[in-house]
Amino acid sequence: DAKTTQPTSMDCAEGRAANLPCNHSTISGNEYVYWYRQIHSQGPQYIIHGLKNNETNEMASLIITEDRKSSTLILPHATLRDTAVYYCIVPANSNSGYALNFGKGTSLLVTP
Amino acid sequence: DAGVIQSPRHEVTEMGQEVTLRCKPISGHNSLFWYRQTMMRGLELLIYFNNNVPIDDSGMPEDRFSAKMPNASFSTLKIQPSEPRDSAVYFCASSFGRGYKYFGAGTRLSVL
Repeated sequence: DAKTTQPTSMDCAEGRAANLPCNHSTISGNEYVYWYRQIHSQGPQYIIHGLKNNETNEMASLIITEDRKSSTLILPHATLRDTAVYYCIVPANSNSGYALNFGKGTSLLVTP
Repeated sequence: DAGVIQSPRHEVTEMGQEVTLRCKPISGHNSLFWYRQTMMRGLELLIYFNNNVPIDDSGMPEDRFSAKMPNASFSTLKIQPSEPRDSAVYFCASSFGRGYKYFGAGTRLSVL
């Protein structure tokens, strides 16, 4: 898997946008960027993924830089329930890419 | 669909006993993954199956661990004999091919 680098922790006020950065400078041209999150005591949950273009779904938006070396996950209006660990993952485009290798992620705390 | 179903949710056992964790993947998914999560090591991939065949078991800690997938709707992870250092939360996940993964709620194992 391409190595990813994320800040250890971030804070965000409720109702504000949470912008979570991820660096993946060794990403290959056909490797996707995936974001998952894990709320305390629950299993990881898929959020969004993308290749080149920006993506948006009901949970979040994903902004990928033109050189694809970094991306930002945006939670437009963070709520207390968004407090979780957020993982940025770039699976290898090979047999091993079927699996996901979770790093440390970013622990996001949404405060009232 | 009810999602990925794991049982039991909690297991407390004594050192030396056999432990069997169970997983029912989402119907139609052909890839299944077993992960282990501890505070020290985070989320670790133990093994994954594709079309019921084990593809990569390099994450299985030692011979005390074994996993089977006798059919597309059921998988087990067995620990025999169990040791206190096996205490962790074990997650099962499934996907269709390389698609994004759906995780179960996990089994919290405590080995005394």
